[in-house]
Amino acid sequence: DVKVTQSSRYLVKRTGEKVFLECVQDMDHENMFWYRQDPGLGLRLIYFSYDVKMKEKGDIPEGYSVSREKKERFSLILESASTNQTSMYLCASRRQGTNYGYTFGSGTRLTVV
Amino acid sequence: QKEVEQNSGPLSVPEGAIASLNCTYSDRVSQSFFWYRQYSGKSPELIMSIYSNGDKEDGRFTAQLNKASQYVSLLIRDSQPSDSATYLCAVNEAGRRALTFGSGTRLQVQP
Repeated sequence: DVKVTQSSRYLVKRTGEKVFLECVQDMDHENMFWYRQDPGLGLRLIYFSYDVKMKEKGDIPEGYSVSREKKERFSLILESASTNQTSMYLCASRRQGTNYGYTFGSGTRLTVV
Repeated sequence: QKEVEQNSGPLSVPEGAIASLNCTYSDRVSQSFFWYRQYSGKSPELIMSIYSNGDKEDGRFTAQLNKASQYVSLLIRDSQPSDSATYLCAVNEAGRRALTFGSGTRLQVQP
Protein backbone atom coordinates (compact mmCIF):
# COMPACT_ATOMS: atom_id res chain seq x y z
CA ASP A 1 0.00 0.00 0.00
CA VAL A 2 1.05 3.54 -0.71
CA LYS A 3 1.99 5.40 2.36
CA VAL A 4 1.89 9.17 2.65
CA THR A 5 3.50 10.46 5.80
CA GLN A 6 3.08 13.94 7.20
CA SER A 7 5.74 14.85 9.70
CA SER A 8 3.53 16.37 12.39
CA ARG A 9 0.01 15.54 13.54
CA TYR A 10 -0.42 18.70 15.61
CA LEU A 11 1.55 21.93 15.40
CA VAL A 12 1.26 25.24 17.26
CA LYS A 13 3.11 28.24 15.87
CA ARG A 14 3.23 31.95 16.57
CA THR A 15 2.07 34.66 14.21
CA GLY A 16 4.89 35.71 11.88
CA GLU A 17 6.85 32.47 12.16
CA LYS A 18 8.00 30.61 9.07
CA VAL A 19 6.39 27.18 9.12
CA PHE A 20 7.40 24.06 7.23
CA LEU A 21 5.02 21.16 6.69
CA GLU A 22 6.64 18.04 5.31
CA CYS A 23 5.10 15.23 3.30
CA VAL A 24 6.78 12.04 2.11
CA GLN A 25 5.34 9.28 -0.08
CA ASP A 26 6.93 5.89 -0.67
CA MET A 27 5.45 4.67 -3.96
CA ASP A 28 7.13 6.79 -6.60
CA HIS A 29 4.02 8.83 -7.41
CA GLU A 30 4.55 11.67 -9.85
CA ASN A 31 1.89 13.98 -8.45
CA MET A 32 1.69 15.47 -4.97
CA PHE A 33 -0.81 17.94 -3.56
CA TRP A 34 -1.37 20.19 -0.56
CA TYR A 35 -4.89 21.01 0.61
CA ARG A 36 -6.36 22.76 3.58
CA GLN A 37 -9.69 21.75 5.03
CA ASP A 38 -11.89 24.06 7.05
CA PRO A 39 -15.43 23.48 8.36
CA GLY A 40 -18.00 24.55 5.79
CA LEU A 41 -15.37 25.24 3.12
CA GLY A 42 -14.39 21.71 2.17
CA LEU A 43 -11.05 20.78 0.67
CA ARG A 44 -9.21 23.66 -0.98
CA LEU A 45 -6.17 23.09 -3.17
CA ILE A 46 -3.16 25.21 -2.23
CA TYR A 47 -0.41 23.92 -4.55
CA PHE A 48 0.50 20.79 -6.40
CA SER A 49 3.53 19.32 -8.09
CA TYR A 50 3.67 16.94 -11.05
CA ASP A 51 7.43 16.39 -11.11
CA VAL A 52 10.59 17.27 -9.24
CA LYS A 53 11.03 21.04 -9.08
CA MET A 54 7.72 21.53 -10.93
CA LYS A 55 4.81 23.19 -9.18
CA GLU A 56 1.51 24.80 -9.96
CA LYS A 57 -0.72 27.08 -7.95
CA GLY A 58 -4.02 25.77 -6.78
CA ASP A 59 -7.06 27.76 -5.78
CA ILE A 60 -5.65 29.49 -2.68
CA PRO A 61 -1.84 29.86 -3.00
CA GLU A 62 -1.55 33.25 -1.30
CA GLY A 63 0.66 33.15 1.76
CA TYR A 64 2.11 29.74 0.87
CA SER A 65 4.98 28.36 -1.14
CA VAL A 66 6.14 24.82 -1.87
CA SER A 67 9.30 22.89 -2.57
CA ARG A 68 9.87 19.58 -4.30
CA GLU A 69 13.55 18.79 -4.53
CA LYS A 70 13.08 15.01 -4.49
CA LYS A 71 10.28 12.96 -5.99
CA GLU A 72 9.15 11.52 -2.69
CA ARG A 73 9.04 14.75 -0.70
CA PHE A 74 6.76 17.76 -1.03
CA SER A 75 7.01 20.60 1.46
CA LEU A 76 4.52 23.35 2.19
CA ILE A 77 5.93 26.60 3.54
CA LEU A 78 4.00 29.31 5.31
CA GLU A 79 6.26 32.30 4.81
CA SER A 80 4.84 34.32 7.72
CA ALA A 81 2.14 32.45 9.58
CA SER A 82 -1.10 34.25 10.32
CA THR A 83 -4.08 33.26 12.44
CA ASN A 84 -6.24 32.76 9.35
CA GLN A 85 -3.91 29.92 8.35
CA THR A 86 -5.07 27.89 11.32
CA SER A 87 -6.46 24.79 9.63
CA MET A 88 -6.11 21.09 8.90
CA TYR A 89 -3.50 20.58 6.19
CA LEU A 90 -3.69 17.46 4.06
CA CYS A 91 -1.03 16.13 1.74
CA ALA A 92 -1.95 13.67 -1.02
CA SER A 93 -0.14 11.81 -3.75
CA ARG A 94 -1.36 10.26 -6.97
CA ARG A 95 0.08 8.16 -9.74
CA GLN A 96 0.04 9.74 -13.20
CA GLY A 97 -3.10 8.83 -15.15
CA THR A 98 -6.76 9.69 -14.91
CA ASN A 99 -7.91 6.46 -13.30
CA TYR A 100 -5.95 6.89 -10.11
CA GLY A 101 -7.28 8.49 -6.98
CA TYR A 102 -5.41 10.22 -4.20
CA THR A 103 -3.82 8.69 -1.18
CA PHE A 104 -3.93 11.15 1.68
CA GLY A 105 -1.59 11.57 4.59
CA SER A 106 -3.00 11.66 8.10
CA GLY A 107 -3.07 15.45 8.17
CA THR A 108 -1.45 18.19 10.22
CA ARG A 109 -3.65 20.31 12.42
CA LEU A 110 -1.90 23.68 12.55
CA THR A 111 -2.84 26.33 15.07
CA VAL A 112 -1.36 29.80 14.69
CA VAL A 113 -1.56 31.91 17.85
CA GLN B 1 -20.39 27.98 -9.48
CA LYS B 2 -19.50 24.82 -7.64
CA GLU B 3 -18.33 22.17 -10.09
CA VAL B 4 -19.09 19.14 -7.94
CA GLU B 5 -22.25 19.30 -5.88
CA GLN B 6 -23.29 17.20 -2.91
CA ASN B 7 -26.07 17.61 -0.38
CA SER B 8 -24.33 18.45 2.88
CA GLY B 9 -26.81 16.44 4.97
CA PRO B 10 -26.87 15.08 7.51
CA LEU B 11 -28.43 12.04 5.92
CA SER B 12 -29.83 9.92 8.69
CA VAL B 13 -30.64 6.23 8.12
CA PRO B 14 -31.43 3.40 10.53
CA GLU B 15 -28.99 0.55 11.00
CA GLY B 16 -29.44 -2.09 8.32
CA ALA B 17 -30.98 0.28 5.77
CA ILE B 18 -29.54 1.35 2.42
CA ALA B 19 -27.86 4.75 2.42
CA SER B 20 -27.90 6.57 -0.91
CA LEU B 21 -25.42 9.40 -1.47
CA ASN B 22 -25.54 11.53 -4.59
CA CYS B 23 -23.17 13.79 -6.46
CA THR B 24 -23.57 15.87 -9.61
CA TYR B 25 -20.81 17.40 -11.67
CA SER B 26 -20.66 20.09 -14.33
CA ASP B 27 -17.81 19.03 -16.63
CA ARG B 28 -19.31 16.82 -19.34
CA VAL B 29 -15.99 15.23 -20.28
CA SER B 30 -14.97 14.21 -16.77
CA GLN B 31 -13.30 10.86 -16.95
CA SER B 32 -13.09 9.25 -13.54
CA PHE B 33 -14.94 9.48 -10.28
CA PHE B 34 -14.06 8.64 -6.73
CA TRP B 35 -15.75 8.30 -3.37
CA TYR B 36 -13.86 9.01 -0.17
CA ARG B 37 -14.93 8.38 3.40
CA GLN B 38 -13.74 10.79 6.09
CA TYR B 39 -14.25 10.16 9.78
CA SER B 40 -14.27 13.17 12.06
CA GLY B 41 -10.73 14.41 12.69
CA LYS B 42 -9.23 11.95 10.21
CA SER B 43 -8.06 12.22 6.61
CA PRO B 44 -10.13 11.01 3.63
CA GLU B 45 -9.86 7.37 2.63
CA LEU B 46 -10.59 6.12 -0.90
CA ILE B 47 -13.42 3.59 -0.89
CA MET B 48 -14.64 3.41 -4.51
CA SER B 49 -13.64 4.50 -7.99
CA ILE B 50 -15.69 4.27 -11.17
CA TYR B 51 -14.91 5.15 -14.77
CA SER B 52 -17.69 3.67 -16.96
CA ASN B 53 -21.44 4.08 -17.00
CA GLY B 54 -23.31 1.61 -14.85
CA ASP B 55 -22.76 0.01 -11.48
CA LYS B 56 -19.63 -1.13 -9.71
CA GLU B 57 -19.94 -3.21 -6.57
CA ASP B 58 -17.42 -3.81 -3.79
CA GLY B 59 -18.78 -5.54 -0.73
CA ARG B 60 -21.55 -3.43 0.78
CA PHE B 61 -20.70 -0.49 -1.48
CA THR B 62 -22.05 0.15 -4.97
CA ALA B 63 -21.02 3.11 -7.08
CA GLN B 64 -23.30 4.16 -9.91
CA LEU B 65 -22.32 6.43 -12.80
CA ASN B 66 -24.55 8.10 -15.35
CA LYS B 67 -22.46 10.33 -17.60
CA ALA B 68 -25.43 11.49 -19.70
CA SER B 69 -27.09 12.92 -16.59
CA GLN B 70 -23.78 13.88 -15.00
CA TYR B 71 -24.30 12.20 -11.68
CA VAL B 72 -22.54 9.61 -9.62
CA SER B 73 -23.96 7.94 -6.55
CA LEU B 74 -22.81 5.68 -3.75
CA LEU B 75 -25.08 3.09 -2.17
CA ILE B 76 -24.21 1.54 1.16
CA ARG B 77 -26.19 -1.61 1.90
CA ASP B 78 -26.82 -2.89 5.42
CA SER B 79 -25.61 0.40 6.89
CA GLN B 80 -23.74 0.15 10.17
CA PRO B 81 -23.08 2.81 12.84
CA SER B 82 -19.41 2.55 11.84
CA ASP B 83 -20.40 3.92 8.40
CA SER B 84 -21.24 7.25 10.06
CA ALA B 85 -18.82 9.68 8.40
CA THR B 86 -18.61 12.36 5.75
CA TYR B 87 -18.52 11.04 2.19
CA LEU B 88 -16.66 13.10 -0.39
CA CYS B 89 -17.25 12.82 -4.12
CA ALA B 90 -14.25 13.63 -6.33
CA VAL B 91 -14.10 14.05 -10.09
CA ASN B 92 -11.16 13.97 -12.46
CA GLU B 93 -12.05 16.65 -14.99
CA ALA B 94 -10.46 16.39 -18.41
CA GLY B 95 -7.09 18.11 -18.64
CA ARG B 96 -6.69 18.61 -14.87
CA ARG B 97 -4.09 16.91 -12.71
CA ALA B 98 -5.94 17.67 -9.49
CA LEU B 99 -9.25 16.12 -8.51
CA THR B 100 -12.23 18.37 -7.91
CA PHE B 101 -14.00 17.58 -4.65
CA GLY B 102 -17.54 18.14 -3.51
CA SER B 103 -18.07 19.54 -0.05
CA GLY B 104 -19.24 16.18 1.27
CA THR B 105 -22.38 14.56 2.68
CA ARG B 106 -22.51 13.71 6.35
CA LEU B 107 -24.06 10.29 6.95
CA GLN B 108 -25.46 9.27 10.33
CA VAL B 109 -26.45 5.65 10.86
CA GLN B 110 -28.75 5.32 13.85
CA PRO B 111 -28.40 2.10 15.93
